[in-house]
Amino acid sequence: KQEVTQIPAALSVPEGENLVLNCSFTDSAIYNLQWFRQDPGKGLTSLLLIQSSQREQTSGRLNASLDKSSGRSTLYIAASQPGDSATYLCAVTGGGADGLTFGKGTHLIIQP
Amino acid sequence: DADVTQTPRNRITKTGKRIMLECSQTKGHDRMYWYRQDPGLGLRLIYYSFDVKDINKGEISDGYSVSRQAQAKFSLSLESAIPNQTALYFCATSDLWTDYGYTFGSGTRLTVV
Repeated sequence: KQEVTQIPAALSVPEGENLVLNCSFTDSAIYNLQWFRQDPGKGLTSLLLIQSSQREQTSGRLNASLDKSSGRSTLYIAASQPGDSATYLCAVTGGGADGLTFGKGTHLIIQP
Repeated sequence: DADVTQTPRNRITKTGKRIMLECSQTKGHDRMYWYRQDPGLGLRLIYYSFDVKDINKGEISDGYSVSRQAQAKFSLSLESAIPNQTALYFCATSDLWTDYGYTFGSGTRLTVV
């Protein structure tokens, strides 16, 4: 059974810092990996999608990398801002499961 | 209009009542999903459908049923609601023929009292 783990579970940093969120998955036979953002009580907003054949994707201040063979992904946020405060979810497709398998998220707080 | 629309946004219902959550999409995707989110447990798959004639159980289907009325519509029913079905419910879509990226609705917050 595919399992997705996100570290850390929570993170609080001052505004302006660069930070890295980590995601690991147990079965490397994935189709893709997707990073989402969720604001409190709200829906999921897709941030980045990395296909299994890709190594990284970038969007603005966000960069996500994928090392499929080792079962790891990182989400790099540059020059963090208070508006980045949210829960960040990592999810994979494939690896023996239908649909997306989610990690439990990293709750990020950016202090002004 | 949102690509994936869920109704209602919020609902409070009593134990034992039947309730239906609805989802419609304008993305033209074949695949639709229902997830529930609970604090500390993350998102878990309830049911999914790859086309109108295809319905599959997910990880936590007990107590739920679904109907795929059309390519664009996928509804989730709680036949007899119980308090531990209180959760945030999400509908999602994906497309086999593009990039498997998922699009989520804004969610339905369901409270069973």
